[in-house]
Amino acid sequence: AQRVTQPEKLLSVFKGAPVELKCNYSYSGSPELFWYVQYSRQRLQLLLRHISRESIKGFTADLNKGETSFHLKKPFAQEEDSAMYYCALKTGANNLFFGTGTRLTVIP
Amino acid sequence: DAGVIQSPRHEVTEMGQEVTLRCKLISGHNSLFWYRQTMMRGLELLIYFNNNVPIDDSGMPEDRFSAKMPNASFSTLKIQPSEPRDSAVYFCASSFGSGDFYGYTFGSGTRLTVV
Repeated sequence: AQRVTQPEKLLSVFKGAPVELKCNYSYSGSPELFWYVQYSRQRLQLLLRHISRESIKGFTADLNKGETSFHLKKPFAQEEDSAMYYCALKTGANNLFFGTGTRLTVIP
Repeated sequence: DAGVIQSPRHEVTEMGQEVTLRCKLISGHNSLFWYRQTMMRGLELLIYFNNNVPIDDSGMPEDRFSAKMPNASFSTLKIQPSEPRDSAVYFCASSFGSGDFYGYTFGSGTRLTVV
């Protein structure tokens, strides 16, 4: 069975500090991972997909199959990064399995 | 395209009343997902449809919850009778399940309060 683990429910960092939101997965098939972001009282929005190998809003994430991880990183956190972040694993043709989320707070 | 549209944005109702939440998919998407979000349990998948057919409703809490997809672009989630523990934000999301998968597009959610 698939599993997505986000070990930190809450994470606080100071503005300008590096931030890393952890995500580990367990899946028997070929993994395809996503990060979603939810700003206060808004909808979940796609932040990035691992297959796109893109950097969005300064965030990057690398799929590490050896460690079964897809950690989200940003070198310098900004106050506007404060949000809920969900890691998701594609299962089946078009289904996403979401982790429990990490609430990031960037302290001014 | 205006994206996934949910209505109402907010709903306050009394315990025992029927509540109907609505969702309009993005044109061309063929999969529809209903989620419930609470502080305690996070994001929970309630049910999803593929090509208007319910595929997995194992997340539906109990018989008080029902969902329909009468056509390719519209879905409803009904709670009858509603209870205070149903208070949550309900999201629907849609996706296109063929070719390159770009993930889900979520609606803005319906914040339900049952008093």
